[in-house]
Amino acid sequence: EVQVLESGGGLVQPGGSLRLSCAASGFTFSSYDMNWVRQAPGKGLEWVSGISGSGGKTYYADSVKGRFTISRDNSRNTLYLQMNSLRAEDTAGYYCAKGKMLVVGMDFWGQGTTVTVSS
Amino acid sequence: DIQMTQSPSSVSASVGDRVTITCRASQGINNWLAWYQQKPGRAPRLLIYAASGLQSGVPSRFSGSGSGTDFTLTINSLQPEDFATYYCQQGNNFPFTFGPGTKVDMK
Repeated sequence: EVQVLESGGGLVQPGGSLRLSCAASGFTFSSYDMNWVRQAPGKGLEWVSGISGSGGKTYYADSVKGRFTISRDNSRNTLYLQMNSLRAEDTAGYYCAKGKMLVVGMDFWGQGTTVTVSS
Repeated sequence: DIQMTQSPSSVSASVGDRVTITCRASQGINNWLAWYQQKPGRAPRLLIYAASGLQSGVPSRFSGSGSGTDFTLTINSLQPEDFATYYCQQGNNFPFTFGPGTKVDMK
């Protein structure tokens, strides 16, 4: 059974840092692109970042470019999101999502982890 | 960046109704479009990939169509569990972008 499970969310002050993790199981992790998607309270979905299966290609939304870094450890089947210089507008639930192979679509999602940026 | 729009922003419908949601991309995206369903407090669920592919486990009353810039999600014979918010997402160019969502609620 495919599972992805996020962790690492919490309360952080503006300007602070946080690292999210996503533990994956039930599929060949290194074969699939992975993504982070966030949702601010009461708002819609916002794609944040994506990474290729090998980790060699990374992509970011303009809103986080230069502040967030996506990475993966295929030996540990784990995806990461390092978030620096956090702002109040980064407050959201953050989802880890597995990409489908060769076509558009994120087919397995975690339950999300909440990040609150506040003083 | 590619902008995605959806219409309507909300729709009130009854069980058994046919519901149609449209999604438009600001530039052509071929068939690189997905549809998701999200219920309050839950993670999104993939319904349709590549504009018209039905994701495994999704009921056949859901269907997608379109190519280029204009796409449609149709729910035939709306069921009680279908009341939710629906999002389209383009995967043709990075950054990926979602539409603003369409809320389907009970009439």
